[in-house]
Amino acid sequence: GAVVSQHPSWVICKSGTSVKIECRSLDFQATTMFWYRQFPKQSLMLMATSNEGSKATYEQGVEKDKFLINHASLTLSTLTVTSAHPEDSSFYICSARDPARDGANVLTFGAGSRLTVL
Amino acid sequence: TQLLEQSPQFLSIQEGENLTVYCNSSSVFSSLQWYRQEPGEGPVLLVTVVTGGEVKKLKRLTFQFGDARKDSSLHITAAQPGDTGLYLCAGGKGAQKLVFGQGTRLTINP
Repeated sequence: GAVVSQHPSWVICKSGTSVKIECRSLDFQATTMFWYRQFPKQSLMLMATSNEGSKATYEQGVEKDKFLINHASLTLSTLTVTSAHPEDSSFYICSARDPARDGANVLTFGAGSRLTVL
Repeated sequence: TQLLEQSPQFLSIQEGENLTVYCNSSSVFSSLQWYRQEPGEGPVLLVTVVTGGEVKKLKRLTFQFGDARKDSSLHITAAQPGDTGLYLCAGGKGAQKLVFGQGTRLTINP
């Protein structure tokens, strides 16, 4: 089945530094990937839609200069949290849609990346 | 505004009991999915329902899509501690992005 890999699975950084999270589709090509943020005991909140070869589409209230998304190939999207602050600490999850699987709307999720900003 | 309302948001029951989780919306969805998420991991797809009135069974889990495709339910029979987790419903409209419910945090006590 479709597999999405995220790296790193957890990261601790100092306030003011930037952190990059990678999302890879391992056995399929994904023209679209999605980045979510999840706070403890809450649901997933969509941050942005990553489009291969073009600019990401950000959800309302998400700072595009703060959360940089690059989707340079059909199997890789990256999320960079720039100048991270403690309030950016969260669980970041990516997902991708495999068009060959059960129609257009089935998402495969990565295992998530837990960011802790000190 | 939450387009998909899940209830209950928290549920703690004893092993062997039955339970139902609801996912309701005023919008019509072309498909609805149920995911289960364990702590520190990403959600894993349990089922997709696409036809109004559709019922799907996955061992002790029964999923139903409302006739009008606005709501869905997840029923678990004889719950086991291994069923513990966060259950998320998500609705899709064509090729548009999925909308997630708030989630139901289920705890099954031995």
